[in-house]
Amino acid sequence: GAGVSQSPSNKVTEKGKDVELRCDPISGHTALYWYRQSLGQGLEFLIYFQGNSAPDKSGLPSDRFSAERTGGSVSTLTIQRTQQEDSAVYLCASSPRQGATNEKLFFGSGTQLSVL
Amino acid sequence: DAKTTQPNSMESNEEEPVHLPCNHSTISGTDYIHWYRQLPSQGPEYVIHGLTSNVNNRMASLAIAEDRKSSTLILHRATLRDAAVYYCILRDPPGNQFYFGTGTSLTVIP
Repeated sequence: GAGVSQSPSNKVTEKGKDVELRCDPISGHTALYWYRQSLGQGLEFLIYFQGNSAPDKSGLPSDRFSAERTGGSVSTLTIQRTQQEDSAVYLCASSPRQGATNEKLFFGSGTQLSVL
Repeated sequence: DAKTTQPNSMESNEEEPVHLPCNHSTISGTDYIHWYRQLPSQGPEYVIHGLTSNVNNRMASLAIAEDRKSSTLILHRATLRDAAVYYCILRDPPGNQFYFGTGTSLTVIP
């Protein structure tokens, strides 16, 4: 595809359920980032991948959050036992090479998660 | 991560220039200044970045103060499509992440 694809675009779940959010980066992009954006707020960094490895997981808010990336491509962000405060837009971004001085992030349109 | 300060909101008339300020008084010598913008219901998109010298591209210009403690994103002729939240970010590669603040919400008045 031409850009970063995220699915689903909207997800409504009940408190306590697990959810999986998917990100398909731009083909060939080795770096992949996850951010969270609560209503009216800026972006909160969660985790990034270089290839299949996650050198920086410092932004994950709790052990209910985990992420993996397989084949250096698709990434899944999993939230277990969802809470109402997890409601937000989850954004994924990819870039050709992490750490380059001219690195540019390419974002998807996000997944709007609503926890009832 | 070095901190940036931006006004919460600004307004501009359509087809007039817009100057979006960003203060970063604690910037280090190796921090790059990046600007992204986020249109409604979309993910952010890259606008421009620089280190010391002023930069121009098809979207905007970036003016960096001589002491690098502030910078200004310049949109030469605002259009309705430029209404967005603009984020000023400092980043010291490699390894450091892009930390987004709350940005400046730009309203363009027809």
